[in-house]
Amino acid sequence: EAQVTQNPRYLITVTGKKLTVTCSQNMNHEYMSWYRQDPGLGLRQIYYSMNVEVTDKGDVPEGYKVSRKEKRNFPLILESPSPNQTSLYFCASSLAGGHYEQYFGPGTRLTVT
Amino acid sequence: AQKITQTQPGMFVQEKEAVTLDCTYDTSDPSYGLFWYKQPSSGEMIFLIYQGSYDQQNATEGRYSLNFQKARKSANLVISASQLGDSAMYFCAMRVIQGAQKLVFGQGTRLTINP
Repeated sequence: EAQVTQNPRYLITVTGKKLTVTCSQNMNHEYMSWYRQDPGLGLRQIYYSMNVEVTDKGDVPEGYKVSRKEKRNFPLILESPSPNQTSLYFCASSLAGGHYEQYFGPGTRLTVT
Repeated sequence: AQKITQTQPGMFVQEKEAVTLDCTYDTSDPSYGLFWYKQPSSGEMIFLIYQGSYDQQNATEGRYSLNFQKARKSANLVISASQLGDSAMYFCAMRVIQGAQKLVFGQGTRLTINP
């Protein structure tokens, strides 16, 4: 089954404790992206990757890191989480090009206390 | 910069009625894609329908159709014969062909279908 998986689905952590949210897709997509969703703000892009070893900042990259060592994986790293990073996070993937839909993972609900 | 505006925070519709969710967009790029996603209470993002900026005909997918008016920069979603399962948050989004190719989302419309 074609899918994007994320782990964990739910996470409660404390300020400053490094964490990684994994993302993996099995559709051989070149393009991958991370979004965060906050009430009243819709979804905003954090980082994206056009292909292996190619990553770039989205609209809200502060406090986040990413890597793309393999085509299928695109982890999101919060090196020192803060309460304002409490949010619902989505990983997405697609073929390269604006005409293609992005497939979303199930989401990771993160709470930072 | 690209922008999506959804002016209806919430809508209430009787079951079996048709409903139109409004979406206007702004971009200076001539080539872009317009998408609608559904987010039920379970949280996942479900792709519904796509319209390309150069498409001559309005897109349709089952009960979903997209009323694309390029000159007015609008891309309204029409759901025919609404069902209780259509109750969800609906997001309009635009993706430009070049550069970051990101999806720019509107703030969403919460649709509630009443029995």
